[in-house]
Amino acid sequence: GAGVSQSPSNKVTEKGKDVELRCDPISGHTALYWYRQSLGQGLEFLIYFQGNSAPDKSGLPSDRFSAERTGGSVSTLTIQRTQQEDSAVYLCASSFRTGEGDTQYFGPGTRLTVL
Amino acid sequence: DAKTTQPTSMDCAEGRAANLPCNHSTISGNEYVYWYRQIHSQGPQYIIHGLKNNETNEMASLIITEDRKSSTLILPHATLRDTAVYYCIVRGSSYKLIFGSGTRLLVRP
Repeated sequence: GAGVSQSPSNKVTEKGKDVELRCDPISGHTALYWYRQSLGQGLEFLIYFQGNSAPDKSGLPSDRFSAERTGGSVSTLTIQRTQQEDSAVYLCASSFRTGEGDTQYFGPGTRLTVL
Repeated sequence: DAKTTQPTSMDCAEGRAANLPCNHSTISGNEYVYWYRQIHSQGPQYIIHGLKNNETNEMASLIITEDRKSSTLILPHATLRDTAVYYCIVRGSSYKLIFGSGTRLLVRP
């Protein structure tokens, strides 16, 4: 079946502008995760959604970052007043459930460049 | 989650088996061993995971030692498209994936 999809694949924006990144998880997956990966760096956890539970926002680096998940499916990550240090690849993943042994499947990512 | 140690880089010839080792000497009884890979400019791709027993799927085999302190990912017939960074991850109940530096595998023609 279809995997996790993300759009846009690339986004170039000017410092100070707002951006929205979209993630469509695998159908039926209840858990959705956002990570980011800066050049040459490891994976940085941002936020996690599980069903109707309150999201875990502990990884969001500042209050300029927010995310929502509508209808338990599609998620949007919003970055307000973008800064150059926000440049990174933003990755979305989904899994059927959360717990020991669950597998997160990643989308292709959105490469964000802030000029 | 337990820390993992992997070689920085490896190479193998196309068509031969690629054996990628991973040490996880502090692994706990309820922690799984996961392998992902990341081909340049793409999102991480799940390969395989296991708890105690050896596992095999269409992509690879995972061999976990009896004491679970190390494991080996085996790509039985490596192709040029298997050139990637391979990440060994140990996960318990935390849903936050933490990738280390991984092993950069180069498959030579």
